[in-house]
Amino acid sequence: DTGVSQDPRHKITKRGQNVTFRCDPISEHNRLYWYRQTLGQGPEFLTYFQNEAQLEKSRLLSDRFSAERPKGSFSTLEIQRTEQGDSAMYLCASSLTGVSEQYFGPGTRLTVT
Amino acid sequence: QKEVEQNSGPLSVPEGAIASLNCTYSDRGSQSFFWYRQYSGKSPELIMFIYSNGDKEDGRFTAQLNKASQYVSLLIRDSQPSDSATYLCASDNNNDMRFGAGTRLTVKP
Repeated sequence: DTGVSQDPRHKITKRGQNVTFRCDPISEHNRLYWYRQTLGQGPEFLTYFQNEAQLEKSRLLSDRFSAERPKGSFSTLEIQRTEQGDSAMYLCASSLTGVSEQYFGPGTRLTVT
Repeated sequence: QKEVEQNSGPLSVPEGAIASLNCTYSDRGSQSFFWYRQYSGKSPELIMFIYSNGDKEDGRFTAQLNKASQYVSLLIRDSQPSDSATYLCASDNNNDMRFGAGTRLTVKP
């Protein structure tokens, strides 16, 4: 167990609904990353926080997606007006010094019907 | 063209054999390269990373990097059935990590 936790582990929602996922990083890790992984593909970078500051956002992160990390601890990823194309595994990772030692959480699998 | 390319496989090797996994990347600014293992339904686990040209060995695993050819490989010696998984290659350019689609490896007893 890497120590990164994500909640919920599975989410089924209807198209058009909003969903929010939570990630709790390893306690001393100040860097937090969100990725999305679809079947048969590798993870795609979505966004990156260092402490509470969101330092980078992928162009994949449309206006319907928003992420926060208040107080530099846990992070939330919200998807508004979900679409079927949003169905994927959403992975969170945390690290102390950079991506070279990031640890992934178990992921949240989203299914949009 | 994807930034990190891998053969999707599946690659099948007998138990005890050497498995060879290959990856090419397009971003010459990439500084570090990673191999992750991902079991079905699980999240990626880091196997090893490499940032200098040449070989890097860790137990049964050897990563090879050739920056001139933009090529990274992973050799798994004495393959075991428990090595059966998808192997993801990734490159990093200043905290911008790009993953390949992965190669599925099956080790047959």
